[in-house]
Amino acid sequence: EDQVTQSPEALRLQEGESSSLNCSYTVSGLRGLFWYRQDPGKGPEFLFTLYSAGEEKEKERLKATLTKKESFLHITAPKPEDSATYLCAVQPSLHGSGNTGKLIFGQGTTLQVKP
Amino acid sequence: DVKVTQSSRYLVKRTGEKVFLECVQDMDHENMFWYRQDPGLGLRLIYFSYDVKMKEKGDIPEGYSVSREKKERFSLILESASTNQTSMYLCASSLGRYGTQYFGPGTRLLVL
Repeated sequence: EDQVTQSPEALRLQEGESSSLNCSYTVSGLRGLFWYRQDPGKGPEFLFTLYSAGEEKEKERLKATLTKKESFLHITAPKPEDSATYLCAVQPSLHGSGNTGKLIFGQGTTLQVKP
Repeated sequence: DVKVTQSSRYLVKRTGEKVFLECVQDMDHENMFWYRQDPGLGLRLIYFSYDVKMKEKGDIPEGYSVSREKKERFSLILESASTNQTSMYLCASSLGRYGTQYFGPGTRLLVL
């Protein structure tokens, strides 16, 4: 069964304290792995897509990396405005569990950055 | 920029009412999706559509139906609302079946 597990569930950091969020996945075939940011009461906002092991993408203080079994979202010198829930989702490939293009989401990591 | 809008941010309905949630995207995307998001359960796919008048069931379609009469608009219908349908409903669209999904702001529905 395709599955996505994110850890930790919650993370509290001081401003400037770098850390990483983990997304472990089990999928029969991976087409893509997506990272989203979600602020309270709002819809998820797209951050990155990763397609193959070894790939990295960066945006401001965020860097996403991908291996064959997991992805990391590294946050360098975070600021309070980085506080949000970060969602990871996998998209099974055509030869995986159906060819629907659907995303399978993890439950998210809620990040709080204190000034 | 992709823009996905949802008709309401908050809705309060009574058990048994028929509820319509509407989603509109302005980027000519073929694919549209409806998810619900619940604490501890994450986002779960209800229905999706690859084209006008096309629809397919997601993981939790029971109690819901959808309508896509125009490419830009995808409606979610709760035929007879129940309290266990209290949730955050999120619409998304993508260009191509495997394209990045862009989400709307969500509708928080409370069924009393």
